[in-house]
Amino acid sequence: GDSVTQMEGPVTLSEEAFLTINCTYTATGYPSLFWYVQYPGEGLQLLLKATKADDKGSNKGFEATYRKETTSFHLEKGSVQVSDSAVYFCALSDRDFNKFYFGSGTKLNVKP
Amino acid sequence: NAGVTQTPKFQVLKTGQSMTLQCAQDMNHEYMSWYRQDPGMGLRLIHYSVGAGITDQGEVPNGYNVSRSTTEDFPLRLLSAAPSQTSVYFCASSSPGTTGNTIYFGEGSWLTVV
Repeated sequence: GDSVTQMEGPVTLSEEAFLTINCTYTATGYPSLFWYVQYPGEGLQLLLKATKADDKGSNKGFEATYRKETTSFHLEKGSVQVSDSAVYFCALSDRDFNKFYFGSGTKLNVKP
Repeated sequence: NAGVTQTPKFQVLKTGQSMTLQCAQDMNHEYMSWYRQDPGMGLRLIHYSVGAGITDQGEVPNGYNVSRSTTEDFPLRLLSAAPSQTSVYFCASSSPGTTGNTIYFGEGSWLTVV
C-alpha cells in the first residue's frame, strides 16, 4: 500500500544553517505530495505541495521538488530561523480515493 | 472563516467512560476524517467519511465509532475509554477529486484516560 517514510529526528541546527529533511514515498498511480508543519500545541498546517513530477513547491523559504525517479520529496531551507522550530510531516494523497498518508514527523530544533 | 472546529480541546476521562469529540467544518468538504497522533508514530487514520451517510474504517478503528448525518459534522465517539486511547486527536476535511487537493486540520483535542 501507499506509505511515506521520513528521516527521524530530532534535528538540531544553529540559526542560519541549511536544512534538509528527507522524505521518500511508495505509491501506486500519481500522488500529490505535501509538507505540513505543526507548531507546539497546534494542528497541522500546509507548508507546501507539489502535484506532479518535477514540480517544486515553495513557501516561506522552504522548498521541495517532486522526484518521481527517486520517489522523493525532500524539504530544504537555505537559512533556518528559531521560529522554524516545529514538527514537519511529509504526506501524500491518493487521488483515486482521496486518502492521505503521513510520515512519522521530524522535529526541528533551531538554536539561536 | 472558521475552517475545521474541534471540541473539546482538553479532556480527562476515567477508564470505561464514554465521550464524543465533536468536529464541524464550514468549507462544504465532502471528505472528513479523524486521526490520532502519538509520539514517534505520526498520524494514524481512525475513521473517514466520503460524504453524508457514508463512513469507513481507517488504520486504527477499534474502540471508536463515527457517524456522518450532515456534510458539516463528523463526531468521534469513544465507547469505553481505555488508557491506550490517551492521545491527541485531529479532525480533518478535504475536497476529493481536486488536483492537489489539500487536507485541512482542526487544532486538536488532547485526551487523557486515567
